[in-house]
Amino acid sequence: GDSVTQMEGPVTLSEEAFLTINCTYTATGYPSLFWYVQYPGEGLQLLLKATKADDKGSNKGFEATYRKETTSFHLEKGSVQVSDSAVYFCAPGRGNTPLVFGKGTRLSVIA
Amino acid sequence: DAGVTQSPTHLIKTRGQQVTLRCSPKSGHDTVSWYQQALGQGPQFIFQYYEEEERQRGNFPDRFSGHQFPNYSSELNVNALLLGDSALYLCASSLVVTGGHEQYFGPGTRLTVT
Repeated sequence: GDSVTQMEGPVTLSEEAFLTINCTYTATGYPSLFWYVQYPGEGLQLLLKATKADDKGSNKGFEATYRKETTSFHLEKGSVQVSDSAVYFCAPGRGNTPLVFGKGTRLSVIA
Repeated sequence: DAGVTQSPTHLIKTRGQQVTLRCSPKSGHDTVSWYQQALGQGPQFIFQYYEEEERQRGNFPDRFSGHQFPNYSSELNVNALLLGDSALYLCASSLVVTGGHEQYFGPGTRLTVT
């Protein structure tokens, strides 16, 4: 089945720093790829998605590009804010099959 | 546009008891999936309901069961609770005609088993 590997956290950055959270996936075929964010004490929110190779998903200043050659979907943001502190999950998804999550990457942004 | 709602928010139960968690999907969605998220871990798929039937199931014992109602809302039941069942239970809804994989999550129910 599909699987995902994310960089180990926690990641601690100063406000306005550049963010990269690495995500690589293992899957047969070409699933859609998602980034979800979980703020403290809350459920998961869909942050962005890409449905095919070379697609770039973007939302709230975050971006990720579906790289088929490297089976990656790294999350980036040019300038993080304290409010971006959360746990970030990368997940492949296809059709109506369930999402497969890794352990997530905890991001802490300090002022 | 009403999002996914779950109730209750928090719940404390004793080992051996039974619990029922409830979920109302996002307006217009017809599929409900349940996930268990242990502390510090990612969500793990429990099962998915569509057209009032369990369509897919993850690696969870039969103590975990569910139901979907004609209005697409869903319940998750856990019998004979164990300490290890303590977790955040997340409900996610989707629309099968769009491929279903874009899932929207509720805020979760935090279950504590003592």
